Amino acid sequence: QKEVEQNSGPLSVPEGAIASLNCTYSDRGSQSFFWYRQYSGKSPELIMSIYSNGDKEDGRFTAQLNKASQYVSLLIRDSQPSDSATYLCAVKPLNNNDMRFGAGTRLTVKP
Amino acid sequence: AAGVIQSPRHLIKEKRETATLKCYPIPRHDTVYWYQQGPGQDPQFLISFYEKMQSDKGSIPDRFSAQQFSDYHSELNMSSLELGDSALYFCASSSTGNYGYTFGSGTRLTVV
Repeated sequence: QKEVEQNSGPLSVPEGAIASLNCTYSDRGSQSFFWYRQYSGKSPELIMSIYSNGDKEDGRFTAQLNKASQYVSLLIRDSQPSDSATYLCAVKPLNNNDMRFGAGTRLTVKP
Repeated sequence: AAGVIQSPRHLIKEKRETATLKCYPIPRHDTVYWYQQGPGQDPQFLISFYEKMQSDKGSIPDRFSAQQFSDYHSELNMSSLELGDSALYFCASSSTGNYGYTFGSGTRLTVV
């Protein structure tokens, strides 16, 4: 079992819709959770971080964390074609300083 | 603002050759990470350095080595290159704490 699991997609949503991306992790002691956006051939770009249970909103993005279920999600409201990218979930385990990445979910927003 | 600088951006090498990738972290960031990302794959952690000392080691082959210098830049040395080493190599840096990384633009290595 991978430490961080994501549905690889592709996930396709129409412009203006809500895109929902999901991630589960295996290390129950993990404390830090991140969402990165990666355009093809480019480096990952940090878009959200979340450290405590609940929701965290930043513009059109909302990260949700449920440590009991070992689940973290990213909602993108009013999706735009420019949001089309691969979204990587990343988790920092408790006893490691390095980050573990999921395989990424490819999102396509259709005009 | 200064970002993580990687060089070269592209590198083409033949099998069994060696390659050196360089990374210059964001000033005052104390930790550097190296990741390898194959086509359609998620980034795989290779190795990290904290304050110029190796801190964690991931799936780095024995043919690879890395170090961090006194000016905090880091180099990834790759020897006896194989076709399967063709990938994007990212360097990232962070400061102490539960913060996300900032990635460099990556080096695309092609082994022919």
